[in-house]
Amino acid sequence: NAGVTQTPKFQVLKTGQSMTLQCAQDMNHEYMSWYRQDPGMGLRLIHYSVGAGITDQGEVPNGYNVSRSTTEDFPLRLLSAAPSQTSVYFCASSQSSGANVLTFGAGSRLTVL
Amino acid sequence: AQKVTQAQTEISVVEKEDVTLDCVYETRDTTYYLFWYKQPPSGELVFLIRRNSFDEQNEISGRYSWNFQKSTSSFNFTITASQVVDSAVYFCALSVNAGGTSYGKLTFGQGTILTVHP
Repeated sequence: NAGVTQTPKFQVLKTGQSMTLQCAQDMNHEYMSWYRQDPGMGLRLIHYSVGAGITDQGEVPNGYNVSRSTTEDFPLRLLSAAPSQTSVYFCASSQSSGANVLTFGAGSRLTVL
Repeated sequence: AQKVTQAQTEISVVEKEDVTLDCVYETRDTTYYLFWYKQPPSGELVFLIRRNSFDEQNEISGRYSWNFQKSTSSFNFTITASQVVDSAVYFCALSVNAGGTSYGKLTFGQGTILTVHP
């Protein structure tokens, strides 16, 4: 069982470039989410999804797009990267029942120059 | 809105010392869950414990113990006889259970960096 798989692990972009962070889970979890981690700020929710075709904004959604065409995949798109998006990004998934304990991916470190 | 505060930014201890990591939360919801996650130097996030708002029993797991007090909105984490391998960033988090689910949405504290010296 791979759990939650994120790619790439590291990425350097120039301001204005676009890219997609990939996230896939093999646990048949309904809920998936993206968080960013910045020093001194903990993890903050960017977008989340409660099932295929259903997404919603979290605390810091500006500059990011998501879609959920399948249960397994939840990509995060940066359409025009900005230095403020330099961060470590974590994808997570959880079951729809109970306390929704999140299983996290290994993280993707993004640097925007 | 929910809020989680971990006032201790960094803690440094010597091996075998006991250490307590503080967590204070704010929510107007009566049904919620509290979590602790560990982030070792390798960077992954490891789930440690979950507590629901109706269960104020303290919990002990080996050298780890958790003290949940609704009266003070606190969910503190104590490591007894700390070891070098406990060095990590520790996050406290909160989810509210709206309609029976939190939709996988957590509110995290800022994190506490724990360094255990040999």
